[in-house]
Amino acid sequence: AQSVAQPEDQVNVAEGNPLTVKCTYSVSGNPYLFWYVQYPNRGLQFLLKYITGDNLVKGSYGFEAEFNKSQTSFHLKKPSALVSDSALYFCAVRLSSGGYNKLIFGAGTRLAVHP
Amino acid sequence: NAGVMQNPRHLVRRRGQEARLRCSPMKGHSHVYWYRQLPEEGLKFMVYLQKENIIDESGMPKERFSAEFPKEGPSILRIQQVVRGDSAAYFCASSPPGTGALYEQYFGPGTRLTVT
Repeated sequence: AQSVAQPEDQVNVAEGNPLTVKCTYSVSGNPYLFWYVQYPNRGLQFLLKYITGDNLVKGSYGFEAEFNKSQTSFHLKKPSALVSDSALYFCAVRLSSGGYNKLIFGAGTRLAVHP
Repeated sequence: NAGVMQNPRHLVRRRGQEARLRCSPMKGHSHVYWYRQLPEEGLKFMVYLQKENIIDESGMPKERFSAEFPKEGPSILRIQQVVRGDSAAYFCASSPPGTGALYEQYFGPGTRLTVT
């Protein structure tokens, strides 16, 4: 069965420090991978995606993610965290064939950036 | 270009009543998805629709839940005889036609259903 794991419920980072939010996946075929961010009482906002090509993907608000096929990981990173980055982050996977486009989400990681 | 619109944003129903949640996809989008988010959890896929067709309803409970996306008008998620366990945030997402798997899904603000 396809699944996504976000091993950390919460990540705490000081403002200005680099941040990493971890994601690993398990799928039977080639994955399409996504990161979304959710602010309180809001819908999800798309950050970035990996479809194919360069393993390092750059997205919105200075975020980037690295696809690592051998480790089945797609960790989200940012070189310098801002307090405004504090939110709930979701990793998601979609199958490249079959699956009819549905996204499978991880449980989410709450990022807290302290001044 | 307006984003995905959902209404109502908040809905309170007593046990046994019906809940109707509406979703208007982004302009030009013909694929609609419904997800449910329980408190402190990730989103769980419910159903995927295209105009007048249910493509994948593998995440929908077998009873009381139904969804439609008519030729004209918004997509509707209908929950009959609601129970307390139906209390959750329901999100709609849309994506363009074509090779849908390549496109990100755009999410609406959600409808927060509370069953009393």
